[in-house]
Amino acid sequence: NAGVMQNPRHLVRRRGQEARLRCSPMKGHSHVYWYRQLPEEGLKFMVYLQKENIIDESGMPKERFSAEFPKEGPSILRIQQVVRGDSAAYFCASSPPWQGGYEQYFGPGTRLTVT
Amino acid sequence: GIQVEQSPPDLILQEGANSTLRCNFSDSVNNLQWFHQNPWGQLINLFYIPSGTKQNGRLSATTVATERYSLLYISSSQTTDSGVYFCAVGSYNTDKLIFGTGTRLQVFP
Repeated sequence: NAGVMQNPRHLVRRRGQEARLRCSPMKGHSHVYWYRQLPEEGLKFMVYLQKENIIDESGMPKERFSAEFPKEGPSILRIQQVVRGDSAAYFCASSPPWQGGYEQYFGPGTRLTVT
Repeated sequence: GIQVEQSPPDLILQEGANSTLRCNFSDSVNNLQWFHQNPWGQLINLFYIPSGTKQNGRLSATTVATERYSLLYISSSQTTDSGVYFCAVGSYNTDKLIFGTGTRLQVFP
């Protein structure tokens, strides 16, 4: 059973470009979470999605960031007009399709570097 | 929101030593997970333990939910145990995980 998959693993963007990060949840999982880890810090929640729905986006910056989880295909975290402060590791996690504190399984992360 | 504190922030051990890492949280939880982030940045699930005790090889964990803390025990530490250990909790009104600031462990031969 393949785990959570993220691609690309490393992404370099110049200031002002767009970054698209992809996450495929574990088989049978329909809940996806995105977390960001700034250098030398812990992970911070960004957004929680179910298929075609954003459930909680309380951790998302108000501008330039968006997320989706379409009916078919991976979840996408999109960052428009990237700035140096967006350089971080972005982790995706997935959990089974029911509520109530189930274990989250994490992918290997995408390391974004903005030059 | 819920607060998560981990101690100690840093730990230096010689190979073979035992250690205990602590995670305190400020409210009732329905999810508690321990992770190891290795020096390459990979995040590895260690335990899902909202209550009770679990063991996996040289690692074990105990969560006392009524007293709002969890402990991670590492016995006979090895250099490959080096990295940062995170505790993360989820509460009853949200499915997101709140991470502590981590314990950085260095094990020397």
